[in-house]
Amino acid sequence: ETGVTQSPTHLIKTRGQQVTLRCSSQSGHNTVSWYQQALGQGPQFIFQYYREEENGRGNFPPRFSGLQFPNYSSELNVNALELDDSALYLCASSSGQGYTDTQYFGPGTRLTVL
Amino acid sequence: RKEVEQDPGPFNVPEGATVAFNCTYSNSASQSFFWYRQDCRKEPKLLMSVYSSGNEDGRFTAQLNRASQYISLLIRDSKLSDSATYLCVVNRAGYSTLTFGKGTMLLVSP
Repeated sequence: ETGVTQSPTHLIKTRGQQVTLRCSSQSGHNTVSWYQQALGQGPQFIFQYYREEENGRGNFPPRFSGLQFPNYSSELNVNALELDDSALYLCASSSGQGYTDTQYFGPGTRLTVL
Repeated sequence: RKEVEQDPGPFNVPEGATVAFNCTYSNSASQSFFWYRQDCRKEPKLLMSVYSSGNEDGRFTAQLNRASQYISLLIRDSKLSDSATYLCVVNRAGYSTLTFGKGTMLLVSP
């Protein structure tokens, strides 16, 4: 196991609601990246946090926001949920910003929006 | 054009077969290359990094051709446990974010 944990495992929400997903990074890792994986697709980068600062963002609207805490755990918040937000949300932790740093994925949170 | 393209498959092969997957990437600034494996409804797991000189890990061999912007993965002596989706992944110099292909599904049958 990678030591990266995510909660909750599964979640069902309705359109227009808000959701918060949580990620605990592997011990010693200060970087957390979030990805969205729709059915049949590869994971898509949402954003990355490095030492509590946003360090890059993919092509996602502002209603996707995040936080990183002093212990390097992280939250992903999604407002005004849409049906297309139904997906597996993955977080990955790594020990730095470098492109050679291996990213270790958590088990994901499966979000269903009805 | 998608930044990372893969044949989605599925590739159906018998146990013991050799199978090869290919992937192309469009961004010439890509600096690091990986193959990840993803089992059904699970998280992706790093299978191997890919280096310009080519690299091997047991039954798995990965190759990179920077001139053609092409990455390959060869699996020899396929096992039932190799059944999974194989994701081609790249990232750009100066960025640690990963760009994934859609994945290629492999089904190994007895």
